[in-house]
Amino acid sequence: DQQVKQNSPSLSVQEGRISILNCDYTNSMFDYFLWYKKYPAEGPTFLISISSIKDKNEDGRFTVFLNKSAKHLSLHIVPSQPGDSAVYFCAASAPTPGTASKLTFGTGTRLQVTL
Amino acid sequence: DTAVSQTPKYLVTQMGNDKSIKCEQNLGHDTMYWYKQDSKKFLKIMFSYNNKELIINETVPNRFSPKSPDKAHLNLHINSLELGDSAVYFCASSQELSRRRYNEQFFGPGTRLTVL
Repeated sequence: DQQVKQNSPSLSVQEGRISILNCDYTNSMFDYFLWYKKYPAEGPTFLISISSIKDKNEDGRFTVFLNKSAKHLSLHIVPSQPGDSAVYFCAASAPTPGTASKLTFGTGTRLQVTL
Repeated sequence: DTAVSQTPKYLVTQMGNDKSIKCEQNLGHDTMYWYKQDSKKFLKIMFSYNNKELIINETVPNRFSPKSPDKAHLNLHINSLELGDSAVYFCASSQELSRRRYNEQFFGPGTRLTVL
């Protein structure tokens, strides 16, 4: 039962253009969403996040959009650069009573930015 | 100045052996996690500790036993290794959730475990 889905395993974009990575979720209790970037042989690196009280969060070239009614979020990278080539993971968390948050991850989208 | 470090990076061992993976964070975080990334690249939480106390324990075989000697360390010990344990194991840490409603988790570089 995969609660966070990234249906595109890969995406190829030309340098300078916009990259749009998509993520869908099924658990309506999720209230915080994150994007991680992962290079080969390294751990995931936090990129940007958004809470469910917002529909957009921007940080430099990276913008995350949240559509709660559609249970969909997307990451926009503009302009795309060759160094952005990596696997991007979408993650979500639900309110927890304790002191730790449990992240549920999608299976990732491999982004290739070409020259 | 590595934030979250893991040793070893690669671990190759025979079925039935017992092995440990170590994790240390120097971020001053109170909460640490272990994740498993299987062959399908699915990253799934296994355990979480807060100040040496077990907080999250997903459905993981009891051959897996996390140990937290202090809040900066969370080690993972695996008994009687099986072929299906082959995966990449990631350690992560975050601030205690009560200090901030939402928190990001910072990941280590991963340990690739291969069981032959």
